[in-house]
Amino acid sequence: GEDVEQSLFLSVREGDSSVINCTYTDSSSTYLYWYKQEPGAGLQLLTYIFSNMDMKQDQRLTVLLNKKDKHLSLRIADTQTGDSAIYFCAEKVIFGTGTRLQVFP
Amino acid sequence: KAGVTQTPRYLIKTRGQQVTLSCSPISGHRSVSWYQQTPGQGLQFLFEYFSETQRNKGNFPGRFSGRQFSNSRSEMNVSTLELGDSALYLCASIGGTGELFFGEGSRLTVL
Repeated sequence: GEDVEQSLFLSVREGDSSVINCTYTDSSSTYLYWYKQEPGAGLQLLTYIFSNMDMKQDQRLTVLLNKKDKHLSLRIADTQTGDSAIYFCAEKVIFGTGTRLQVFP
Repeated sequence: KAGVTQTPRYLIKTRGQQVTLSCSPISGHRSVSWYQQTPGQGLQFLFEYFSETQRNKGNFPGRFSGRQFSNSRSEMNVSTLELGDSALYLCASIGGTGELFFGEGSRLTVL
């Protein structure tokens, strides 16, 4: 069946770049998505990429898509303490387990 | 533009009871989806509705049901509650490119 996998934790120093990785199985997805969930809150759409694209940049966020390997990544440049949250990769209705990003000073 | 509204935000029930949760999507959106979020299982897809028709369903027992009304508002119902049903239930309004706009969720505690 369809599956989306992510690593569970990532810890980075403030000001460094964060890279969150995701693998998926359904190659028919038209779009792939990244969501962010802050403590006690619902999920918020961060960005998405069309499956025909390799890269999408949106301010501090860069999404890279390797369709051959079914690998998606989210890079956050100049990571700030406010970026501490859980990041979910999703394709169609299937979500990954989420990666908890912790930013330390 | 108002966001997704879910009610109630918090509720406590006992085993064997049933519960109904409500979701009002973003104005103009005709599709909604529901998710269950727990620490152990993560975010699990429950169902998706478009124009009052269930379009997709996750792998949950028949105790979990939903419906959508002509005004796009949606409800989900869980009957014969079990302790394991304690979770955050999230509703999402679906945009034109499949992106989801989530509500704040309804946190259900089953005692």
